[in-house]
Amino acid sequence: GQSLEQPSEVTAVEGAIVQINCTYQTSGFYGLSWYQQHDGGAPTFLSYNALDGLEETGRFSSFLSRSDSYGYLLLQELQMKDSASYFCAVRGFQKLVFGTGTRLLVSP
Amino acid sequence: DADVTQTPRNRITKTGKRIMLECSQTKGHDRMYWYRQDPGLGLRLIYYSFDVKDINKGEISDGYSVSRQAQAKFSLSLESAIPNQTALYFCATSGAAGTGELFFGEGSRLTVL
Repeated sequence: GQSLEQPSEVTAVEGAIVQINCTYQTSGFYGLSWYQQHDGGAPTFLSYNALDGLEETGRFSSFLSRSDSYGYLLLQELQMKDSASYFCAVRGFQKLVFGTGTRLLVSP
Repeated sequence: DADVTQTPRNRITKTGKRIMLECSQTKGHDRMYWYRQDPGLGLRLIYYSFDVKDINKGEISDGYSVSRQAQAKFSLSLESAIPNQTALYFCATSGAAGTGELFFGEGSRLTVL
């Protein structure tokens, strides 16, 4: 089976940098995805790491260490609109298993 | 128009009723999924399908059934709804296997009284 662990809530101020960690245990691992979900909305895809290292997409970056079963999402230059829930998800054989989510609260 | 469309968006029903949630997509994807979201529990996979003749159980399939009527349509049924099936349900699709990217519908909020 698969299990993922991420913090339930993180708070930060506008303009700051925040890192959301995700550790996982899985019997089969192909990659780690990150999704953003605003209240009342659908999850939207942010990034995917299949190999170790850092992937950068604008203000967002995602990191993976397969040997440590660990990844993180880094959000820079935080904006109020970044207040949302963020989910890591492990891609195993045939399916994607999600973590329980981290609620990010950005204050002025 | 949305690429992944779910109907109904909101539904209130009573215990014991049969409910169907429908999902249709215009993305041309073969892979379709049904997830359930509960506060604090994230998204849990109910069923998934890789083509019309392929149906697979996810983590929490008990009490649910699905039908893949066509490549573009995947419906979720609750044969006899119970209150602990009150949740937000999402349909999702994916294309190529290796991207880790799912495209979600807007969700169907179901309340079972």
